Amino acid sequence: RKEVEQDPGPFNVPEGATVAFNCTYSNSASQSFFWYRQDCRKEPKLLMSVYSSGNEDGRFTAQLNRASQYISLLIRDSKLSDSATYLCVLDTGRRALTFGSGTRLQVQP
Amino acid sequence: NAGVTQTPKFQVLKTGQSMTLQCAQDMNHEYMSWYRQDPGMGLRLIHYSVGAGITDQGEVPNGYNVSRSTTEDFPLRLLSAAPSQTSVYFCASSPHAGASYNEQFFGPGTRLTVL
Repeated sequence: RKEVEQDPGPFNVPEGATVAFNCTYSNSASQSFFWYRQDCRKEPKLLMSVYSSGNEDGRFTAQLNRASQYISLLIRDSKLSDSATYLCVLDTGRRALTFGSGTRLQVQP
Repeated sequence: NAGVTQTPKFQVLKTGQSMTLQCAQDMNHEYMSWYRQDPGMGLRLIHYSVGAGITDQGEVPNGYNVSRSTTEDFPLRLLSAAPSQTSVYFCASSPHAGASYNEQFFGPGTRLTVL
């Protein structure tokens, strides 16, 4: 079983829609959680950290459910510029990050 | 600041050739790492370094060597290229090793094809 599982998508949504991605993880020792964004043929960039209490950054909301071992990302009022691959990332305390394979989002006009 | 830079951007090798992928950062970061990204598999850690003179293996180290003689540079050496090493290689750095809240900053990547 992969340490981090994501639905690869693609999620095709119209502009203005709300879309949510989930990510499940198998290592209960995971300490920190992140969402990274990767545009086509570019490097990953940090979108936001995910805190136990949940956190929001503008149109983006991240949630963590330790009991069920999943994290989520909600994007409200989708923009064309949100089209990208969203990577679920964990820090299990082994001095390295563990990346999911990503969920592709395509926002359509 | 240039951030994290990688050279070359593209490279084609023949099986058995060796080469070095260069990575440099100008942010005085302690921690540097190399990942490879293959379709459908996410990024996988090859090697990492928590400071000058210190390196360690990641998830997929076979066929690769690294060294860290300075804080700024972290080259990745392919010893004898194989088609299975065809991939996109990303170098990353972050301020401190072991601090789980640290953001990792990635270079633009090197696209390597081994024929």
